Amino acid sequence: DAKTTQPPSMDCAEGRAANLPCNHSTISGNEYVYWYRQIHSQGPQYIIHGLKNNETNEMASLIITEDRKSSTLILPHATLRDTAVYYCIVRVASTGFQKLVFGTGTRLLVSP
Amino acid sequence: DTGVSQNPRHKITKRGQNVTFRCDPISEHNRLYWYRQTLGQGPEFLTYFQNEAQLEKSRLLSDRFSAERPKGSFSTLEIQRTEQGDSAMYLCASSFFLREGRGTDTQYFGPGTRLTVL
Repeated sequence: DAKTTQPPSMDCAEGRAANLPCNHSTISGNEYVYWYRQIHSQGPQYIIHGLKNNETNEMASLIITEDRKSSTLILPHATLRDTAVYYCIVRVASTGFQKLVFGTGTRLLVSP
Repeated sequence: DTGVSQNPRHKITKRGQNVTFRCDPISEHNRLYWYRQTLGQGPEFLTYFQNEAQLEKSRLLSDRFSAERPKGSFSTLEIQRTEQGDSAMYLCASSFFLREGRGTDTQYFGPGTRLTVL
């Protein structure tokens, strides 16, 4: 699996958009970008994933650059409950087995 | 609630004791995974099952660890002769894998079991 690079921490004001970057410069053509988050003392929560097109769901938007070497997770209106560690993971999907390889993620602190 | 469930949520044990954790995956998910997470680190893969078959094990899974999924539904993870280094959060995840090239096999996690070995 390709490695990812994320900033260790970010701050965001409540109600503002939180933009979390991820670099994955060695990503392969068949690797997806996945985002999970982990709120303190809970299990990781799946947020969104994408291959090359931008994706949006009820939780967030995922913007992937055209060269696929980086992506940004956007929480459009951050709330205090979005305070968590956010993990960006790249993995091949639907080909045999692919474990999730978590890095240390980005610790997002949303403040009032 | 149709998510992944894990029991117990917390376990405190003395060094040398055996412990067993249970994971109930999302209904009809055919893959089940165990991960371990220590303080300040991301989760690390331990093992996974497709239906009842255990298909991959990490080198992290020492001989004291054993996992089963006897009927392809729930799974248990047993740690024998616990050591203080086993203190961690043990996470279970499940996914539905259809076949090669179909679906993205997204893993959904349970709340975890926090083990403290005294």
